[in-house]
Amino acid sequence: EPEVTQTPSHQVTQMGQEVILRCVPISNHLYFYWYRQILGQKVEFLVSFYNNEISEKSEIFDDQFSVERPDGSNFTLKIRSTKLEDSAMYFCASFSGGAPYEQYFGPGTRLTVT
Amino acid sequence: QKEVEQNSGPLSVPEGAIASLNCTYSDRGSQSFFWYRQYSGKSPELIMSIYSNGDKEDGRFTAQLNKASQYVSLLIRDSQPSDSATYLCAVGVTGTASKLTFGTGTRLQVTL
Repeated sequence: EPEVTQTPSHQVTQMGQEVILRCVPISNHLYFYWYRQILGQKVEFLVSFYNNEISEKSEIFDDQFSVERPDGSNFTLKIRSTKLEDSAMYFCASFSGGAPYEQYFGPGTRLTVT
Repeated sequence: QKEVEQNSGPLSVPEGAIASLNCTYSDRGSQSFFWYRQYSGKSPELIMSIYSNGDKEDGRFTAQLNKASQYVSLLIRDSQPSDSATYLCAVGVTGTASKLTFGTGTRLQVTL
């Protein structure tokens, strides 16, 4: 069964460093999303991406964040200068664009900023 | 602020019983509703989606939607210890490709 994959599973970085989180959405899916979940809190939407551009972003997704689809399979989230409060699980999700209108989540990347 | 509310639990049910999980949402224009299961340290796993008023059944799971009351529920029949997890209610507001707004989740414990 097709699934969303994410790498790395765990990333440790120092405050101020840049990180890139990678995702391979389900093949032939058209919509891509990043969500994050701070430990003990709810899953929060960051950004959605369609047709090679951002379709929606949240207040969290400020200038420190960017997304890119560098090729036909990968979808990346870059955090330019990490802060302690960026420590969270980051989930990539994808949706086919048609019925049954469901988003499927990857296993997540745990980002720890020290 | 568009909110999705869930009782955080834990909800404790004996093995074989029916577990009933509830969710309310604030945006009356919400169009799509989902239940995800999340084991500790893992990612959300889709269980059910529902878009129209009424019930939708899939195996041991039944989702119920009442748009007038802005209420979604999930029933788990014949609960198993492996069902012990946090159940997340998620709502899509702006259409089929909408971002999802999640509740905080209800922790379910199925006891032997």
